[in-house]
Amino acid sequence: EVQLVQSGAEVKKPGESLRISCKASGYTFTTYWIGWVRQMPGKGLELMGIIYPGDSDTRYSPSFQGQVTISADKSISTAYLQWSSLKASDTAMYYCARLTSYYYFDYWGQGTLGTVSS
Amino acid sequence: QSALTQPASVSGSPGQSITISCTGTSSDVGGYKYVSWYQHLPGKAPKLMISGFSNRATGVSTRFSGSKSGNTASLTISGLQAEDEADYYCISYTSSSTLLSVFGTGTKVTVL
Repeated sequence: EVQLVQSGAEVKKPGESLRISCKASGYTFTTYWIGWVRQMPGKGLELMGIIYPGDSDTRYSPSFQGQVTISADKSISTAYLQWSSLKASDTAMYYCARLTSYYYFDYWGQGTLGTVSS
Repeated sequence: QSALTQPASVSGSPGQSITISCTGTSSDVGGYKYVSWYQHLPGKAPKLMISGFSNRATGVSTRFSGSKSGNTASLTISGLQAEDEADYYCISYTSSSTLLSVFGTGTKVTVL
């Protein structure tokens, strides 16, 4: 059974760093793109970027380029989304999702709520 | 790459049919068959409903159907039920972005 299990909710202060994870199981991790999706409070879904764990090809939305880092560790089938210096505006729910070769996201993580507040 | 355009809200009474549109360009919706639809309930992960613009995902009710004409894709919910109240998003493959996908703006479906 395919599963994407995300790390738990986080509460951080502005300026702190954060890394959230997405552990994949039930399929060959290196053969599917993984996307990270943001949902800010009361807003829609936004694709932040995607990574192909097979060769670490990573692509960012212009809105998120330079603001976050997406990475993956093939040895433990886990993708990451990280910030080096959080802002209050980073408060959101974050989802990882698997992108198929027919360009739809078939499996989603349960979401990680990130709260940034002083 | 601009987001695909969806109506902000659509409503209907139980038993009625509603249709949600998703308008893009020839570089995404109009140029490819790779349009998918997702249901998003509060506090839950988005759920794939339709892929390949008209193929229902496993376990999805036959009340949900998808279609495409030109640069606009549509999701129709027939026999509307209270449990269908949710946000719905379309996503399309795009040749205009290295991200491969472009998201719709989302539609809130309200069952009156």
